[in-house]
Amino acid sequence: AQSVSQHNHHVILSEAASLELGCNYSYGGTVNLFWYVQYPGQHLQLLLKYFSGDPLVKGIKGFEAEFIKSKFSFNLRKPSVQWSDTAEYFCAVKNNYGQNFVFGPGTRLSVLP
Amino acid sequence: GAVVSQHPSRVICKSGTSVKIECRSLDFQATTMFWYRQFPKKSLMLMATSNEGSKATYEQGVEKDKFLINHASLTLSTLTVTSAHPEDSSFYICSAWGGENTEAFFGQGTRLTVV
Repeated sequence: AQSVSQHNHHVILSEAASLELGCNYSYGGTVNLFWYVQYPGQHLQLLLKYFSGDPLVKGIKGFEAEFIKSKFSFNLRKPSVQWSDTAEYFCAVKNNYGQNFVFGPGTRLSVLP
Repeated sequence: GAVVSQHPSRVICKSGTSVKIECRSLDFQATTMFWYRQFPKKSLMLMATSNEGSKATYEQGVEKDKFLINHASLTLSTLTVTSAHPEDSSFYICSAWGGENTEAFFGQGTRLTVV
C-alpha cells in the first residue's frame, strides 16, 4: 500500500532561519506530489505540487520542493522562515491511477519571533 | 481556485443516530472525491475514495457499513455515519479531485460530536 512519511514531528526555528522538511513515499509507480499547509483554525491550503518536468518546483510564500525520484523524496524548503509560517505542513502523494490520495503524518512548524 | 463546500460544518448528534455530511464541488465536476478523518493534532487519515457512479473504495480498517459513501453526481458526494457512537466524534474532511494535472480542493470540514 502507498504510504507517506515525514521525518520530523515538530520543528522549532527562529525567524530568518532556513527550513527543510523531509518527505518520503513508498510507491513504485508514477506519482503526483504535494505539500499542503494548515494554519491554526483554517483548512488545508496547497503550497506547491509536482506532476512532471523540472524536479525543483516553486510554490507560494517562498516555498520550494525538490523531487528526487531515486530517493522517493519530496522535501520542502524555505530559505528564511517568518513567524507567520507557523503551521502544520503535510506532504501528500497521489498515484497516477486516481485512487488513493494519501497524506503524511504532518510536521508542526513553530517559528519563534 | 475551485471551491468545495462541505455541510454541515458542525453537528452534534445522539449516540445511535445517523448523520449525513455533504461535499459539493461548486464550480467544477469531480469524478473522484476523497473522505478523510482528522484527529486532534494529527494528520488526515484517508477513509475512502469515492468515484462518481461506482462504489467507494475503502481503506483498510474503515467499516464500509458504518461509513456509507454515495457519489451520485459529479458534484456531490455524501458520507453517512450510521449508528454513531462517541468514538466516531472527529473532524471529517472531504476533497474533490479537480482532474488530471490539477490538485485536490478541500472542504471546510465537519466537526462531528456524538453524545
